[in-house]
Amino acid sequence: AQKITQTQPGMFVQEKEAVTLDCTYDTSDQSYGLFWYKQPSSGEMIFLIYQGSYDEQNATEGRYSLNFQKARKSANLVISASQLGDSAMYFCAMREGNFNKFYFGSGTKLNVKP
Amino acid sequence: EAQVTQNPRYLITVTGKKLTVTCSQNMNHEYMSWYRQDPGLGLRQIYYSMNVEVTDKGDVPEGYKVSRKEKRNFPLILESPSPNQTSLYFCASSEQFGNTIYFGEGSWLTVV
Repeated sequence: AQKITQTQPGMFVQEKEAVTLDCTYDTSDQSYGLFWYKQPSSGEMIFLIYQGSYDEQNATEGRYSLNFQKARKSANLVISASQLGDSAMYFCAMREGNFNKFYFGSGTKLNVKP
Repeated sequence: EAQVTQNPRYLITVTGKKLTVTCSQNMNHEYMSWYRQDPGLGLRQIYYSMNVEVTDKGDVPEGYKVSRKEKRNFPLILESPSPNQTSLYFCASSEQFGNTIYFGEGSWLTVV
């Protein structure tokens, strides 16, 4: 089974609107971490946000928030007020347990339209 | 400045010619790892290291070797590269169980 599933290969959003990128995960560990990364066309990986499995509150970082629904094993990224510079590939990732093995989803390519 | 540095950034090589991609971090991180990125598959972990002289296989270790003789360096070795190892490679580091992973800029490797 896939550890991380991103079901949206590509998405469009209008500038200034909010967008949700979906991510579901699969683990039987109680302790894990969830990450979102942005990869612009230049190729570098830019850290956006982190959510620990024991964190009660949803993580937020500026315009990014992580909608963490533990029972549903989902960790959706919400970008508010989209900007043209948000056009990029977005990856959801999970660090599982204490072994520091990381799993990445296949990514969602977001295009922000002016 | 906190950095993970990979070299080379771009390389075209021939099948069977051994090559090494170096990775160095200046943050005194215990944890380092290597990934390859292929279209439609995201990033897949090749090897990781929890500390000096401690390495372990990720999801796709076949055809690769690593070593961790010093804390700051974690080279990736392709003993006999094949065309299916053509990919974008990333090195990353973090504190043990840290909530931020620092990535290198990536190394584009083409094996012909």
